Amino acid sequence: AQTVTQSQPEMSVQEAETVTLSCTYDTSENNYYLFWYKQPPSRQMILVIRQEAYKQQNATENRFSVNFQKAAKSFSLKISDSQLGDTAMYFCAFMRHNNNDMRFGAGTRLTVKP
Amino acid sequence: DSGVTQTPKHLITATGQRVTLRCSPRSGDLSVYWYQQSLDQGLQFLIQYYNGEERAKGNILERFSAQQFPDLHSELNLSSLELGDSALYFCASSVMRENTEAFFGQGTRLTVV
Repeated sequence: AQTVTQSQPEMSVQEAETVTLSCTYDTSENNYYLFWYKQPPSRQMILVIRQEAYKQQNATENRFSVNFQKAAKSFSLKISDSQLGDTAMYFCAFMRHNNNDMRFGAGTRLTVKP
Repeated sequence: DSGVTQTPKHLITATGQRVTLRCSPRSGDLSVYWYQQSLDQGLQFLIQYYNGEERAKGNILERFSAQQFPDLHSELNLSSLELGDSALYFCASSVMRENTEAFFGQGTRLTVV
């Protein structure tokens, strides 16, 4: 079974600083996707970034980037130039290729302080 | 606004009852996914429909069922409700069969008393 672990229940960062959220996962699969989702107080889930396991290059979306270490089964999210609007729960998720049973971590609550 | 509409936003019901949650996907999206977010279990994938047919199944209880209609809207039916079914139920939709970029609705908050 695939499991996703987020070891940081809560984190905080000063506005304009950089923060890294950790995620590890366990799988015997070789072909899969990894995701970071954001859930702000409005509670809507928003896809932040996606990584395909066969791609060695780390995904980047504007201020959001990942550090994907396949051998270590690690998938961390770096948020640069943090903004107040980044305050949210962040969920790491795993999904096998061609199988939509997405597995989520427990989440990290990030607070950006002014 | 993601374009995915869920109704109702809030629902309070008693144990043993049955409820139906509704989801209208984004225009053009063929896949609908249902998720449950609870304090005990966290976020869990329940089930996916693609163009009217069940495509993937997660941790969905036998008391729960879903369907997708010809107009592509979907309904999640929860029966014999228990206190532990209290949760936020999300619907998401995507164009493709594979859930690599789904858009979520704002969820239905179900409270079972």
